[in-house]
Amino acid sequence: DAGVIQSPRHEVTEMGQEVTLRCKPISGHNSLFWYRQTMMRGLELLIYFNNNVPIDDSGMPEDRFSAKMPNASFSTLKIQPSEPRDSAVYFCASRPGTNSYNEQFFGPGTRLTVL
Amino acid sequence: AQSVTQLGSHVSVSEGALVLLRCNYSSSVPPYLFWYVQYPNQGLQLLLKYTTGATLVKGINGFEAEFKKSETSFHLTKPSAHMSDAAEYFCAVSATIYNQGGKLIFGQGTELSVKP
Repeated sequence: DAGVIQSPRHEVTEMGQEVTLRCKPISGHNSLFWYRQTMMRGLELLIYFNNNVPIDDSGMPEDRFSAKMPNASFSTLKIQPSEPRDSAVYFCASRPGTNSYNEQFFGPGTRLTVL
Repeated sequence: AQSVTQLGSHVSVSEGALVLLRCNYSSSVPPYLFWYVQYPNQGLQLLLKYTTGATLVKGINGFEAEFKKSETSFHLTKPSAHMSDAAEYFCAVSATIYNQGGKLIFGQGTELSVKP
C-alpha cells in the first residue's frame, strides 16, 4: 500500500488566493483527519470524517476553511481566501474503522506558505 | 474532556543514555493512550499504544511506556538512546466512549536530541 497520499507537497501562494489541499486515504480506511502543525500552536485537529461524513469540525479556524470528502478515496481542504497566518504544514491521516483505539496513519504533509 | 501535558519541549541525551519523555493526561473516562514519533519533514507514525490489559506497553525501536492510572501518566522510555532516535515525540489521548468522539488529543510535543 502506498500509504496516505497528499498533494501538493509544497504550495506557495499569495495572500487572497484560493488554496486546495488534497488527500487520498489508505484504501479500506473509514476515518479521515485533517491536522495543521505550526511552531506556535503545535498539532491541531481541524476536522475529521467517519465514513465520509464530517463528525467534528470544531477545529476549523473560520469560514475561510472548508473540507469535503465526496467519496471514500478522496478529501480536500480548501482555504479561500488565504492569509499569511495560514502558513503551516497540513497533514491528512486515515484510520481503519471508526474506533479511537485504532492507529491513525499520517501522510507526508503539505507545506503551505502564504506570502 | 481529555487533555495531555508533555513535560519539557526539548530533551537532550547522550548516545547510549536512558531516554525518558514525560506525559501526563487528564480524562473523565478510561483513556486510550498513544505515543507517536515525527522525524524531520515527515508525518507522524505510531510508536506504541495502550488500550486495555498490560500496563507496560512495548513499541517499535526499543521504546516502551507504562500506564500508571494513579499518577495519570504514560511516560515513554528507552534504555539506550541511538542517534536515529532524534525526532519529535507526541503523546496523545482519546476517549473510550464512542459518542465522545473518535479523535485524538495531542500534547505539544517533545523534541529529542541525541548527542554523540
